[in-house]
Formats: sequence, C-alpha cells, structure tokens
Amino acid sequence: QVQLVQSGAEVKKPGASVKVSCKTSGYTFTGYYIHWVRQAPGQGLEWMGWINPKSGDTIYAQKFQGWVTMTRDTSISTAYMALSRLTSDDTAVYYCARLGTEDYWGQGTLVTVSS
Amino acid sequence: SYEVTQPPSVSVSPGQTARITCSGDALPKKYAYWYQQKSGQAPVLVIYEDNKRPSGIPERFSGSSSGTMATLTISGAQVEDEADYYCYSTDSSGNHTVVFGGGTKLTVL
Repeated sequence: QVQLVQSGAEVKKPGASVKVSCKTSGYTFTGYYIHWVRQAPGQGLEWMGWINPKSGDTIYAQKFQGWVTMTRDTSISTAYMALSRLTSDDTAVYYCARLGTEDYWGQGTLVTVSS
Repeated sequence: SYEVTQPPSVSVSPGQTARITCSGDALPKKYAYWYQQKSGQAPVLVIYEDNKRPSGIPERFSGSSSGTMATLTISGAQVEDEADYYCYSTDSSGNHTVVFGGGTKLTVL
C-alpha cells in the first residue's frame, strides 16, 4: 500500500534551518509530484510547493520563494523540504502529500520554533 | 495572486443538508478538490475533480461546480461530519500551483 512516512518532530531556535524528510513506498516514486503543505496551530492549510521526483523540477508558492528548498533522492524514494531563517511564525505541522485523484498524505511533522 | 475563498463557518442540525462553497476565478477551468479534517488528523479527501467521490467516502458527500463557485454538499449531515473542510484548486498559470481556501468549520448540532 502507498505510504508516506515523515521524519520526527523538530525544535529549532529562531534563525535556524530545518529539513524534513518524506519516505515513500508502495508506488513508483518518480511517477507523482510530492507537495508540501503546512498548518500552523489553529490555522488552515497552506501550500508551500511541489517537486517532480523524476526531473527534480520544483515550483514554490510565491511566499516561500528564496526561503524553501525541495529536493529528492530517487535511490531511496525520499523527498525533502528545507526551510531556512526560521521564525516563530514557522511553527507548524508540515505535511508531504501526493495530491490528486489518488491522494495520500504523510503523518505530519511538527516543527516548533522557539528561543 | 490567485485566491480561493470559503465561508469561515457553516452550521446545520443533524439530518439537514450542509452546503459549503468555494469561489475562485480559475474554477471555470480548473477542478475543485475537497478535504475533511478533524482535530489532530491529516486531511482526508472527500471529493476530487469537482464531483467524484473516493472509495470509502459516504454517499451523502457530493460536489458540484458552476462558473467561479464549487460547492460541497453533505446531504443528511451527521454529528460525525463536524470538522473543518478545505477546498483547493490550481491556478491558471500552467505551473500546477495549488491554492487552498481558508477552510470552513462545519458545526452539526
């Protein structure tokens, strides 16, 4: 079965960077875009961007351009999302997801930014 | 930038029909997708491509789209349907840029 398994919770200080992984299984990794979506406490879903695992091409939401980096390692069917220059506003649950008609989400990774 | 708009809240009594709207300028050309999210859980897709229901989603969930508005309808809403609902679509740029609506809190009581 299709699974997206994310790395564990992180606590970071303001100004630091974080990198979240999303290991996939049960399907051809290079066949579907991986999207990243975040949700701050008590807030809605916010789309951050996607990566095409086959080509490595990325599209980022305008808000995150210059600030987020999405990469992948096809040898281990894993996608990554790195966010730099963290502030308290980046405290959120970060999800990787395969959006579309066959829709799958990771379990979410809580990133807490606190001094 | 492209925006998708939902009402912040909708309230119905059990057994009534709940309708949640989603408006966006790209919707005449782009599909709407709908998620249900309960507290502390990842979103669950309940409608895709405007009006298709994934397997395992109850038949009381349906979707429609006309012009710049898509609608999620829950016919005979049940207490367990109380949740946050989000729509999304892609914009018209051709880059498959996803935009979520702000979410609608459905109260069933």
